[in-house]
Amino acid sequence: GNSVTQMEGPVTLSEEAFLTINCTYTATGYPSLFWYVQYPGEGLQLLLKATKADDKGSNKGFEATYRKETTSFHLEKGSVQVSDSAVYFCALRTMTTDSWGKLQFGAGTQVVVTP
Amino acid sequence: SQTIHQWPATLVQPVGSPLSLECTVEGTSNPNLYWYRQAAGRGLQLLFYSIGIDQISSEVPQNLSASRPQDRQFILSSKKLLLSDSGFYLCAWSLGQGTGNTIYFGEGSWLTVV
Repeated sequence: GNSVTQMEGPVTLSEEAFLTINCTYTATGYPSLFWYVQYPGEGLQLLLKATKADDKGSNKGFEATYRKETTSFHLEKGSVQVSDSAVYFCALRTMTTDSWGKLQFGAGTQVVVTP
Repeated sequence: SQTIHQWPATLVQPVGSPLSLECTVEGTSNPNLYWYRQAAGRGLQLLFYSIGIDQISSEVPQNLSASRPQDRQFILSSKKLLLSDSGFYLCAWSLGQGTGNTIYFGEGSWLTVV
């Protein structure tokens, strides 16, 4: 079956540090890949996505590249801010008989940015 | 533009009481609708999925049920809540089942069963 594996948190960083959150996946078919962000007490917001191999998604200074050869979609940001403190979810979506296009999420990675 | 609303935002319910969470989507038609649950300290679990009125699939057998009485309305219910039903419930929508189509989430409803 499909699965998403993310690095465990919490990840604690100082402001302006470089952030990487690793995400790898297992999927049948050709998935699309997503990063969602959840700020404290809120719902999930789409951060970025990529729909095919070698695509790069980017938004708000965050980037992730769809690497089919390594089945990875690592999230990066060059200089984090306190406002980036949140839980980040990697997810995939693929169309197979038993998945019917649902989102498969990783466990989430909490990021804490300190001033 | 499309928007999604769910309510109530927070509720505290005693064990054995009924539950009704409501979700509506505006600005689109015939969306796919979803209910997810996020238990404390855990990831997201898909509960129900709907591709149309009265077309609902249950992902996990449990104490909950879902209904879709109108095209853009999705309701999560329970006749008798359990302590284990506590969590953060998220309604979501998407257009079609294309894998590249984004699934958009509501603000969530916090349920505490006491």
